[in-house]
Amino acid sequence: AQSVTQLGSHVSVSEGALVLLRCNYSSSVPPYLFWYVQYPNQGLQLLLKYTSAATLVKGINGFEAEFKKSETSFHLTKPSAHMSDAAEYFCAVTPFGGYQKVTFGTGTKLQVIP
Amino acid sequence: DTGVSQNPRHKITKRGQNVTFRCDPISEHNRLYWYRQTLGQGPEFLTYFQNEAQLEKSRLLSDRFSAERPKGSFSTLEIQRTEQGDSAMYLCASSEGQRGDDEQFFGPGTRLTVL
Repeated sequence: AQSVTQLGSHVSVSEGALVLLRCNYSSSVPPYLFWYVQYPNQGLQLLLKYTSAATLVKGINGFEAEFKKSETSFHLTKPSAHMSDAAEYFCAVTPFGGYQKVTFGTGTKLQVIP
Repeated sequence: DTGVSQNPRHKITKRGQNVTFRCDPISEHNRLYWYRQTLGQGPEFLTYFQNEAQLEKSRLLSDRFSAERPKGSFSTLEIQRTEQGDSAMYLCASSEGQRGDDEQFFGPGTRLTVL
């Protein structure tokens, strides 16, 4: 079964600092990988997704993630944190190929300190 | 296109009562999904529909839970004889295609509190 592990349920960064949110996946075959963001009282919104076309994926709001097969990782980064980035971030996985259910990680809450 | 909508946004009920939630997906989206999210956890898959057909159900979906999508448009999720453990946020999502990498668009959720 597919799964993802997010290291760190809470991450704090200063405004302007690098954001790094970690995600490792478990799969014998490279899957589809996603990062979603959830703002308070709002639904989840897709930030970016990996579909095997390119290992470095750029998303919305200046975020990007790099797929590393050797490390089974898909960490999310942003060079400079903004106050508006404070939210909860979820890594998710679904098997490559036809549709199967999406499995989400437990989430990482990002706090941005002014 | 106003996105995925869910009603009600909040529901408080007493243990043993039945509750029903509604989800209106983005128009013309073929797929509709239900998830449950508890505090400190990511969304957990419950079930999904391709048009009006319910194609997969999670083992989390006990026989007290039933979901429908008549006519392939809106969907309802009913919980019978609610228990305190049912307290959670219930999320609905929809997607246009059938590929595993298709983006799912999420609604704001319905927060259920069972007293």
